[in-house]
Amino acid sequence: GENVGLHLPTLSVQEGDNSIINCAYSNSASDYFIWYKQESGKGPQFIIDIRSNMDKRQGQRVTVLLNKTVKHLSLQIAATQPGDSAVYFCAENRPRGKLIFGQGTELSVKP
Amino acid sequence: DAGVTQSPTHLIKTRGQQVTLRCSPKSGHDTVSWYQQALGQGPQFIFQYYEEEERQRGNFPDRFSGHQFPNYSSELNVNALLLGDSALYLCASSLGPGQGNEKLFFGSGTQLSVL
Repeated sequence: GENVGLHLPTLSVQEGDNSIINCAYSNSASDYFIWYKQESGKGPQFIIDIRSNMDKRQGQRVTVLLNKTVKHLSLQIAATQPGDSAVYFCAENRPRGKLIFGQGTELSVKP
Repeated sequence: DAGVTQSPTHLIKTRGQQVTLRCSPKSGHDTVSWYQQALGQGPQFIFQYYEEEERQRGNFPDRFSGHQFPNYSSELNVNALLLGDSALYLCASSLGPGQGNEKLFFGSGTQLSVL
């Protein structure tokens, strides 16, 4: 199949805590994954990507982990802020730039 | 440097009508992709244009068609609108093949409502 799915549709965290958003994929041949953030009324915004020859990649306050054995990736957000409230999508990049998106996880940050 | 721009931002149509949505890619980008995003769902790939030709297509009926112009801008046309076509239509641009980076940049979308 060609599914990229998410374990939880919603996630609520306290401001300052760390957030972890999970994603499962089914295509074991996939070799490139991207996390996007989508705020209300806006298009998806690139956060971080990872290739299958890596198992971890860090950005500013964000880390993506890839476990190819169980076909799972996660997005970790450190010291979550109210501005992080949004829907987060993982996406699998297929040849020639076609993206397969999951359903999304809505992150809500409580002050 | 302007990002991806789409017009209009909102549109209301009735069943059976036809609609045209427009997209200007990010400066320097030559490839345009279109996605449909239903409420509460992830975006679904419609098709991609490069060098004024449809490069690949997702699982959408022929009612959905597109065009790319020499200046790389693009249009999405939907004929015989159905209620189920109501969605946010997203345009994304990227560098073409062989240019080292196919990362997609998205516009804010056109919200289409079919009544």
